[in-house]
This record gives sequence, structure tokens and C-alpha cells, in this order.
Amino acid sequence: EDQVTQSPEALRLQEGESSSLNCSYTVSGLRGLFWYRQDPGKGPEFLFTLYSAGEEKEKERLKATLTKKESFLHITAPKPEDSATYLCAVQAPLIQGAQKLVFGQGTRLTINP
Amino acid sequence: SQTIHQWPATLVQPVGSPLSLECTVEGTSNPNLYWYRQAAGRGLQLLFYSVGIGQISSEVPQNLSASRPQDRQFILSSKKLLLSDSGFYLCAWSVPSSGAKKLFFGSGTQLSVL
Repeated sequence: EDQVTQSPEALRLQEGESSSLNCSYTVSGLRGLFWYRQDPGKGPEFLFTLYSAGEEKEKERLKATLTKKESFLHITAPKPEDSATYLCAVQAPLIQGAQKLVFGQGTRLTINP
Repeated sequence: SQTIHQWPATLVQPVGSPLSLECTVEGTSNPNLYWYRQAAGRGLQLLFYSVGIGQISSEVPQNLSASRPQDRQFILSSKKLLLSDSGFYLCAWSVPSSGAKKLFFGSGTQLSVL
């Protein structure tokens, strides 16, 4: 069964304090790994897609990396506006051409000024 | 550009009452459509998906149903709500593809069943 586990559940950082969020996964043949950002009461907002081990993608203060078993979301010199829940998801086998994303529980990140 | 609309944003319903949540997508044709539920402290759970008009597939047995009466319209329904139906409901769409494609989510509906 495809599974995604994110750690830690919650993380508090001071502004400017860099850190990493972890996403461990088990899937029968990885087709893609996705990172989303979700603000309270809002729908998830797409950040990155990673397709193969060794791949990296960056956007502003965020960098996502991928290995064969896990992905990391590195946050460099975060600001209070980076506070959100970060969700990781893997693409499970397609179902009739539809995407089936299996999500982790998320990491709730708080950046204190 | 493509946009997804989901309403209402918040809903409080008594147990046993009916439910209808609506989602529409603009700016694309023949999208794949999805309903997810997010319970407090838990990950997003896929409820239904649709690859075309009238084609609905359910991922988990439950008290809910879905319909797709038009290409870009997706409706989530229940005849009688249960307390356990409370949660944050998200509609999403993706382009039909044989590869991994990202999902675009709506703004969600917070449903409280009392």
C-alpha cells in the first residue's frame, strides 16, 4: 500500500532560522512526488513536482530534493509569511487516466518574527 | 487561465439533513475532477474522481455521492448527513495524462454537522 509520512508534525522557527521538513514514502513505482503549501482555511497551493531521485527544485526560500525513499523541503532564512502547513504527496498508479495522489498528514510550520 | 470555483465556503448542517456542494472549473476542457476530504489532523483523503461526464468512481465507501452533470461541474451530495461527515472538503482538477500531473485545488468548504 502506498504511504506517505511527514515529520515533524509541527515546527516552530525564528525568522532567519533555516531548517528542513521530511517526507518519507513507500510507493510501487514512483511517478511523481508533489509538495503543496496550505494556509489555514484554504485549499493547497502547488509548489513543486519531483520525478526522479537526485532531482532538485527551488523557489524563493524553498528547495525540494528527492531520494529513492524520501524528500526534503529545505527552508532557508524563512520569513513569517512562510508560515503554513506543507503537504507532501506521491502519485499512486493511475486510475482510468485520473491522478491519484496519496498525501501525508502535513507539517505545520510557524515562523516567529 | 484556468480557475476553479467551490461553494459554499462554510456550511453548518444538522444531522440527517441533505448536502450539496458544487464545484466548477473554467478555462479548460475535459478535466479530471476530484473530491477530497481533510479531517482535522489528518491528510487529504480522496473520496471521488471523474474522468468524464457521468463517470464517477468512489475510493471509499461512505454516506456521500458525487455527480458530474456537465464537463466542468462536479457535485458532492448526501441524502442524510452524519456527524462523521464533518470536515474540510476540497474539489480539485487535473489535465488528463498518462504521466504524473499536479492537482489544482479549490478554496474548500468547511462542513460542520451538528
